[in-house]
Amino acid sequence: IAGITQAPTSQILAAGRRMTLRCTQDMRHNAMYWYRQDLGLGLRLIHYSNTAGTTGKGEVPDGYSVSRANTDDFPLTLASAVPSQTSVYFCASSDEASGGAVDTQYFGPGTRLTVL
Amino acid sequence: GQNIDQPTEMTATEGAIVQINCTYQTSGFNGLFWYQQHAGEAPTFLSYNVLDGLEEKGRFSSFLSRSKGYSYLLLKELQMKDSASYLCAPMDSNYQLIWGAGTKLIIKP
Repeated sequence: IAGITQAPTSQILAAGRRMTLRCTQDMRHNAMYWYRQDLGLGLRLIHYSNTAGTTGKGEVPDGYSVSRANTDDFPLTLASAVPSQTSVYFCASSDEASGGAVDTQYFGPGTRLTVL
Repeated sequence: GQNIDQPTEMTATEGAIVQINCTYQTSGFNGLFWYQQHAGEAPTFLSYNVLDGLEEKGRFSSFLSRSKGYSYLLLKELQMKDSASYLCAPMDSNYQLIWGAGTKLIIKP
C-alpha cells in the first residue's frame, strides 16, 4: 500500500530519555518533513529534507535532530525529551523538493508523544 | 511577520452550505492549500489555488484573492462526515507552508 507510515502510534516517555520517531514512505518522494501539532496552534515545521543526504531546520528545530540516509526513511530523534515536547508529530512527503517547486504534501498517520 | 487568520470554530446544518474564510500575510506567495483533518487523523489535501478566482471540485470549492490576502473554502450539501478541522496553508517565497490553526466545523443534523 503506497503512502507514509509512522511508528510508534503513541508513546509515553520519561523526561530525559532519548526517543526516535520513525517515518517511511514508499512513493519515492524527494522531500520529507517533520511537523508537530499542538492544540490551538497550526502545524509547525521541525526539520525537512529536500532530498536524500540533505536536511534543513524548520521553525522549531531545537531539541530535535533528523537524518536522511536514503529516499524512503526520515527518522526524528529527541536526544533528551522534555515535557514541552509532548505533542502529535506528523511526517509528510512531497514529490518536489521544497525551495524548487510547488507540490502537495502527503501526511503520515502521526505519533502521539507524551513526555512526563 | 507571517500570519494566518481563520475562525476557530463554525457550526452548520446537514445539507446546508458553509464558507470558511482565511486571511493571510506571508513573505512572498506561491499559492494556497486547504487541507481537511478529522479528529485524531492526519491532514489530507483538498485544494490548491495559485491564481485569483474560484476552483470547484465536487461539493468543495476554493477561492483566492491574492491582492486581498484572502481565501475561502466553500462546502455544499454538507454531510455529517464533513465534521472536521479545515486548515488553510499559504506557501511562502521559500516554498514552505505556513499553517493556520484550523477551523473546527461541526455539522448538526
